[in-house]
Amino acid sequence: DGGITQSPKYLFRKEGQNVTLSCEQNLNHDAMYWYRQDPGQGLRLIYYSQIVNDFQKGDIAEGYSVSREKKESFPLTVTSAQKNPTAFYLCASSIRQPNQPQHFGDGTRLSIL
Amino acid sequence: GQSLEQPSEVTAVEGAIVQINCTYQTSGFYGLSWYQQHDGGAPTFLSYNALDGLEETGRFSSFLSRSDSYGYLLLQELQMKDSASYFCAAPSGQGGKLIFGQGTELSVKP
Repeated sequence: DGGITQSPKYLFRKEGQNVTLSCEQNLNHDAMYWYRQDPGQGLRLIYYSQIVNDFQKGDIAEGYSVSREKKESFPLTVTSAQKNPTAFYLCASSIRQPNQPQHFGDGTRLSIL
Repeated sequence: GQSLEQPSEVTAVEGAIVQINCTYQTSGFYGLSWYQQHDGGAPTFLSYNALDGLEETGRFSSFLSRSDSYGYLLLQELQMKDSASYFCAAPSGQGGKLIFGQGTELSVKP
């Protein structure tokens, strides 16, 4: 079955450490997205990529970095510059058109040690 | 800027009908989508309205009025499993990027 796989499900970060969240999709979608969700809040866009080797900042990109070397993969690195990284991180993908639904992974919950 | 407003929470009883409203301010409007998210889970797509009117999918219906910049999600014959957060979302730009509302937490009581 096609879908999006995020790993790990839970992640703990030490002070000053960079951590990388994995996102893989086998839906053959061109577009991929990373969102951050805080308790009781909506989804805020961190980065998005419409095509391989290209990506753009979303609304809250500071302290995060991404790469898109393969169509299937869009990893997110939470750097030490992100001072409040504790949140639920969701990866999504879609066909690259305005009216297409986004398909989400099960998320990674990141906490500070 | 672009924004979508929806109530933070709604409570209803099992078997009832509930309506979740969404008002939006976006540039270059392409339509309104609805997503459901159970606590701690992945959002899942429910419906999309590109044109004015009502779209029905089983117990769920979604309505759009572009002249009023307004839409709603209608849930009928509520079940306990419908307790979840519901997000409206609108496309932003020509690609697949979306702007999400803050979400409405629906609690279904026995």
